[in-house]
Amino acid sequence: KQEVTQIPAALSVPEGENLVLNCSFTDSAIYNLQWFRQDPGKGLTSLLLIQSSQREQTSGRLNASLDKSSGRSTLYIAASQPGDSATYLCAVLWGNKLVFGAGTILRVKS
Amino acid sequence: EAGVVQSPRYKIIEKKQPVAFWCNPISGHNTLYWYRQNLGQGPELLIRYENEEAVDDSQLPKDRFSAERLKGVDSTLKIQPAELGDSAVYLCASSSKTGGATGELFFGEGSRLTVL
Repeated sequence: KQEVTQIPAALSVPEGENLVLNCSFTDSAIYNLQWFRQDPGKGLTSLLLIQSSQREQTSGRLNASLDKSSGRSTLYIAASQPGDSATYLCAVLWGNKLVFGAGTILRVKS
Repeated sequence: EAGVVQSPRYKIIEKKQPVAFWCNPISGHNTLYWYRQNLGQGPELLIRYENEEAVDDSQLPKDRFSAERLKGVDSTLKIQPAELGDSAVYLCASSSKTGGATGELFFGEGSRLTVL
């Protein structure tokens, strides 16, 4: 069964820290992997999309890496800010099927 | 450019009542998705359309759920009759790729359903 797991389920850090969110998946034959942000009561906002042929993508303070052979992706957030507080979701595309993890709830304390 | 628009944002109904949600995707996006998100979980796909054709509805509970996308643009998701367990956020998303490959997904803000 194709599954996506995100660890940790919740994370609380002081402002300014660099942090890493983890995503693991069970089948390495992926098409792409996408990281989303979800604010309370809101929809999902796409952060980064990594194609299966890519190793990483960067956008501002965000960097996402992909290691298909080990079934892992990480989202690195540099110099975290209170505005980064949200739920971060990883989604993996297998063929036509997009499967989401349960997310990591991030709180950045000022 | 307008994003994915959903309505209503919130709906409270009693069990056994019907409810309908509407979605307008990003202009030019011919692939449209309906997801359901329960509290503390990631979204789960209900149905995927390519233009007006439902190409994946394997996870749609067809005894009470129905969806349509008659002109390949707007879509409606209906539940009749609603059950307590249907309380969730119903998310609509669209993307610009078809032919079996999903490109980047863009989501609406969702419709939060509470069934009493």
